[in-house]
Amino acid sequence: DSGVTQTPKHLITATGQRVTLRCSPRSGDLSVYWYQQSLDQGLQFLIQYYNGEERAKGNILERFSAQQFPDLHSELNLSSLELGDSALYFCASSQTVNTEAFFGQGTRLTVV
Amino acid sequence: EDQVTQSPEALRLQEGESSSLNCSYTVSGLRGLFWYRQDPGKGPEFLFTLYSAGEEKEKERLKATLTKKESFLHITAPKPEDSATYLCAVRAPGGSQGNLIFGKGTKLSVKP
Repeated sequence: DSGVTQTPKHLITATGQRVTLRCSPRSGDLSVYWYQQSLDQGLQFLIQYYNGEERAKGNILERFSAQQFPDLHSELNLSSLELGDSALYFCASSQTVNTEAFFGQGTRLTVV
Repeated sequence: EDQVTQSPEALRLQEGESSSLNCSYTVSGLRGLFWYRQDPGKGPEFLFTLYSAGEEKEKERLKATLTKKESFLHITAPKPEDSATYLCAVRAPGGSQGNLIFGKGTKLSVKP
């Protein structure tokens, strides 16, 4: 158990809908990352937060947004969902911007 | 552009047959190199952190080494339970990939 908690574990929703994925980082970790992993694809970086502030942004679609709250948990919002958004979404956290990151078990999103 | 390349893409070994996985990187201002193990449908599991050329870390049958341009993950006398995808990541000053940049991984299969 990495200490990073993601909910829900599985999510099935229809095209056009909006969903929210939640991440609780390890105790004491200030940085949170979101990654997308499609079938047989590598980890695609979406966005990173550090202590509530956006630190880096990858190829995150405009339909997607995220935030990190004062208690350091983070949420990833995905809207106007398309079939191609079906993937595993991982959250990771690290203590600082230079230390190792620990991953949650992911949320498997299926858009039908 | 900062880049991480892993080779081979896939590796099949017999139980007990030792080998090495390669991770080569081109990064300006390396701030750490990380190895992860990922089982299908699961989040990456942190294995090692290396910060300086010449550094080595060991854990059971795995040993990670680092030079100025690449890292190796040596697997000694592997067992079937070592079958997984092994990911390499580097930290660099943040950009469009964020400051944690992943390679595409090496899929290791160990046959009994």
